[in-house]
Amino acid sequence: AQKITQTQPGMFVQEKEAVTLDCTYDTSDQSYGLFWYKQPSSGEMIFLIYQGSYDEQNATEGRYSLNFQKARKSANLVISASQLGDSAMYFCAMRVPPDSNYQLIWGAGTKLIIKP
Amino acid sequence: EPEVTQTPSHQVTQMGQEVILRCVPISNHLYFYWYRQILGQKVEFLVSFYNNEISEKSEIFDDQFSVERPDGSNFTLKIRSTKLEDSAMYFCASSLDSGANVLTFGAGSRLTVL
Repeated sequence: AQKITQTQPGMFVQEKEAVTLDCTYDTSDQSYGLFWYKQPSSGEMIFLIYQGSYDEQNATEGRYSLNFQKARKSANLVISASQLGDSAMYFCAMRVPPDSNYQLIWGAGTKLIIKP
Repeated sequence: EPEVTQTPSHQVTQMGQEVILRCVPISNHLYFYWYRQILGQKVEFLVSFYNNEISEKSEIFDDQFSVERPDGSNFTLKIRSTKLEDSAMYFCASSLDSGANVLTFGAGSRLTVL
């Protein structure tokens, strides 16, 4: 069965520190896509970063990077130099297969709180 | 930057009433979606829509739900007779094509059924 697991329901991190949010996935498909979305308290869902299963390089977008370890089926999000505005829920999601209609499978989310 | 807009941002309704949630996807996008998120739970796929018809739907999307693109810009989700368990945040999203890597979400419509 296809599944996304986020084992950290909540995290507190000091401002300016780096933070890693864990995500593991389960699929028997060889071709898939992995996403991270941010959901601030206002509720909207903001796309952060994407990693395709065949991408050899880890994806990076500004302060966000995705630590993709295919053999371990993990796709952890790393936020460097955290800021107060990073406080939000973070969701990992998977699309299988990536060329199908967009049915994303979502994790339960991690609530990140950045402390000043 | 182009965005997906949703109205209303919050709607309170009585059980059994019909509700229509509206979305304006990004203008050159061709694929449209509804997801929902019950408070404290995972985001769940409801339906995808392409070329004026449903292309995929989940088991949540039963006969009480329908979608429509009435005028080429709006994309609506109708819940025919709301139940308490329909209370959730409903997200509209769009993508340029089915192979696109980015699904752009709207800000959500919070539905509260009393």
